[in-house]
Amino acid sequence: NAGVTQTPKFQVLKTGQSMTLQCAQDMNHNSMYWYRQDPGMGLRLIYYSASEGTTDKGEVPNGYNVSRLNKREFSLRLESAAPSQTSVYFCASSEDRRTNYGYTFGSGTRLTVV
Amino acid sequence: KQEVTQIPAALSVPEGENLVLNCSFTDSAIYNLQWFRQDPGKGLTSLLLIQSSQREQTSGRLNASLDKSSGRSTLYIAASQPGDSATYLCAVRPEARGSQGNLIFGKGTKLSVKP
Repeated sequence: NAGVTQTPKFQVLKTGQSMTLQCAQDMNHNSMYWYRQDPGMGLRLIYYSASEGTTDKGEVPNGYNVSRLNKREFSLRLESAAPSQTSVYFCASSEDRRTNYGYTFGSGTRLTVV
Repeated sequence: KQEVTQIPAALSVPEGENLVLNCSFTDSAIYNLQWFRQDPGKGLTSLLLIQSSQREQTSGRLNASLDKSSGRSTLYIAASQPGDSATYLCAVRPEARGSQGNLIFGKGTKLSVKP
């Protein structure tokens, strides 16, 4: 089925460890996004990529890096995980961030940092 | 800065009831508004997308309206069923540059439909 695929679905890290969250979409969308969802805070944008080869910071970028590997793939890296990064991470894509298309979301990665 | 508010935060209704979920936003300069459904521990499923030039969209028992000038949208669910129990999220796409042009979410309404 067409859509946004995220891996892994669950992960437990120790403080200071690093990891990369993977995201791929097969809808030929130009724009991709990483959000985090926390209780009481809603969804907040971490980073986005308006097109292949470009990335920009969102509302809460500190502690994260991203790579837009190609048009399909957009990864999120935690270099030195902290307990404050315990959250549910969602990747999303859209046709273009300046048009009237909606967003499609992946199923999420549930990350716990201990 | 665009802010999105959803009221109520939680709602419990008996099966079969018609219900309305509310969403308000502070800046009317938007491209579109999107309603999502989120089941516990799951991702977001898009329900309806309303363009800024549209007044409403319908899908099955769901109807979403948009009053852009007043900064309001409602999601109407007809003949509610226990399977409708989930958190409903409203999000707007602002006509803004930079990161402020990306989807802005409300905190959701948690709906429980009791048999």
